[in-house]
Amino acid sequence: GIQVEQSPPDLILQEGANSTLRCNFSDSVNNLQWFHQNPWGQLINLFYIPSGTKQNGRLSATTVATERYSLLYISSSQTTDSGVYFCAVVNTGGFKTIFGAGTRLFVKA
Amino acid sequence: GAGVSQSPRYKVAKRGQDVALRCDPISGHVSLFWYQQALGQGPEFLTYFQNEAQLDKSGLPSDRFFAERPEGSVSTLKIQRTQQEDSAVYLCASSVGQGNSPLHFGNGTRLTVT
Repeated sequence: GIQVEQSPPDLILQEGANSTLRCNFSDSVNNLQWFHQNPWGQLINLFYIPSGTKQNGRLSATTVATERYSLLYISSSQTTDSGVYFCAVVNTGGFKTIFGAGTRLFVKA
Repeated sequence: GAGVSQSPRYKVAKRGQDVALRCDPISGHVSLFWYQQALGQGPEFLTYFQNEAQLDKSGLPSDRFFAERPEGSVSTLKIQRTQQEDSAVYLCASSVGQGNSPLHFGNGTRLTVT
C-alpha cells in the first residue's frame, strides 16, 4: 500500500518562529489532507489539498502531486500551534485514508 | 448535526467485557470510517462503510471487532471480550463522497481496558 512519511518527527520552536513540515508519499493520490491534533486529541482539518497551494491565516500548504510531496508552512508560530500535525492521503482510485506518523510540534513562550 | 458525534467520550472496561462505541456522522455523508489511534501513533484504519455497505474491514485487528451501519447513518463499533491491547482512542470520520472529499473526524472515544 501507499507509504506516507512525515518530517521532522519532532520540532521545538520559539514563539514567533516560522517552520516547514514535509509529507512525502509513495504513489499517486487523489486526496491529501493536513490535520492538527491538539493536546486534547481533537483532529482538526487544516487543509484539503490534493494539489496546488492554499493559505489560511498564518498557515499555508502546497502539494506537488507529480513529485509526491506536500509542505505545510507555519508562520509566526504561537503556543496554541503546539500538537501533532498529520498528513493523510488517499491513493488514486481508492477510498482509504492513510496517515503519516505525524510531526510533534512544541512552541515555547 | 453540525459535526461528527461520538459517544461515549471515555469508556473504562474490565478485561473480558464487551463494549459498544457509537458514531453519528454528518447528515448526508455517504462514507464512514473507523480508525484506532494508540498513544503516540497516527490513526490506523479499521473499517469503511459506503452508506450501509461495509466495503472494507481489512483493518479490524481480530474477529472480536465488529462494526455495523444498518441504516446508512449511525454506526456502532463493537469489541467483544476486550483485552488490554484494545486500549486506544477510537476515531470515527465521515465524508460526503468516496475517496475524493475531505474527512471530518469526531472527538473520539478513549477506551481503557483494565
